[in-house]
Amino acid sequence: DAGVTQSPTHLIKTRGQQVTLRCSPKSGHDTVSWYQQALGQGPQFIFQYYEEEERQRGNFPDRFSGHQFPNYSSELNVNALLLGDSALYLCASSLAMQNTEAFFGQGTRLTVV
Amino acid sequence: QKEVEQDPGPLSVPEGAIVSLNCTYSNSAFQYFMWYRQYSRKGPELLMYTYSSGNKEDGRFTAQVDKSSKYISLFIRDSQPSDSATYLCAMSYPGSARQLTFGSGTQLTVLP
Repeated sequence: DAGVTQSPTHLIKTRGQQVTLRCSPKSGHDTVSWYQQALGQGPQFIFQYYEEEERQRGNFPDRFSGHQFPNYSSELNVNALLLGDSALYLCASSLAMQNTEAFFGQGTRLTVV
Repeated sequence: QKEVEQDPGPLSVPEGAIVSLNCTYSNSAFQYFMWYRQYSRKGPELLMYTYSSGNKEDGRFTAQVDKSSKYISLFIRDSQPSDSATYLCAMSYPGSARQLTFGSGTQLTVLP
């Protein structure tokens, strides 16, 4: 079992550009959540995908969007990047209909210059 | 006021010490409580998962939940230098499908 995998591991983008981050959930999991973790802070919930639809959303602007594919993998897209978007982006997978734990990937470290 | 408060530390202890990490929360709807360990520049690793009030033990780790006080704790016995990491508490409520609310993390260093 490969667990939750994210790509790429590191990324450097210029302010104003767009970025796409990818996540494959743990085998058997159907729900993917995305979190943003600024340096020295706890992760902040961005949104959650289940059955290819956004189910819940945290307090993030519309520049943050996502997608879930039929194989449960997911993408996070961020448009018009700001310097403040520099953070570790974490993907977590879980099983929607059971009270199971959420497991995290290693994250993608995004630096906006 | 944040929904989940956690002392950021840093906390430094000698090897073999008992470590106590704590979080308080304000949302009484939280029913599921987790502790994650995060090494520098890595993703969080689930350590303990508890439902509602009570204690749970796993090896050197014990998690306690006191819902009446809205207070959770993680105890680490016989701490090791390899326990040096940031510890994050996280919580969720029924129906949220594991939408987690995190504390800010406590940075722990165990000195040899």
